[in-house]
Amino acid sequence: GIQVEQSPPDLILQEGANSTLRCNFSDSVNNLQWFHQNPWGQLINLFYIPSGTKQNGRLSATTVATERYSLLYISSSQTTDSGVYFCAVGLNTGGFKTIFGAGTRLFVKA
Amino acid sequence: DAGVTQSPTHLIKTRGQQVTLRCSPKSGHDTVSWYQQALGQGPQFIFQYYEEEERQRGNFPDRFSGHQFPNYSSELNVNALLLGDSALYLCASSPGQIGEQFFGPGTRLTVL
Repeated sequence: GIQVEQSPPDLILQEGANSTLRCNFSDSVNNLQWFHQNPWGQLINLFYIPSGTKQNGRLSATTVATERYSLLYISSSQTTDSGVYFCAVGLNTGGFKTIFGAGTRLFVKA
Repeated sequence: DAGVTQSPTHLIKTRGQQVTLRCSPKSGHDTVSWYQQALGQGPQFIFQYYEEEERQRGNFPDRFSGHQFPNYSSELNVNALLLGDSALYLCASSPGQIGEQFFGPGTRLTVL
């Protein structure tokens, strides 16, 4: 089956720093989403980005579907950015299912 | 507009028991997917319901079953609970099978 790999697995930043999170996937996908999971377990939608580039405030994302990767950029990080960031890909295999990566655990120090 | 809601928030069961978890989708969404998230791991896809039918299933045994009602709400049933079923169970809804998914707050199940 499809493999979804996220890197780095863990990241510690000083407040104000920038970072890039990467998601590689091993097969063609129909869609791709980025989520932030807060300490209470809630998955918060960041981007729905099957291809192209999107920006939302300090966050932006780029998906290059032909090369099977997506990048999430966080600029001027804040302590509230701490948590786990997941990439999730959707694919049609007769029906439709979603596969999550293992996540990147981000800690932003004040 | 209410988002995705799930009930109950927490649940404690013993091995061998059965459990039912409930999910109400976001307004305008007709598709519900269920996920299991063990501690420290990413969510694992259990199955997706669309038009009241299970459309796709992940690598989960038949002890895991579900249902979707005409109002698009859904239930996840787990029979013969095992200690390893302890996890956060997440429900997501979407407009169609490949639309953007929005997640509920989850049900934290503990099996003793």
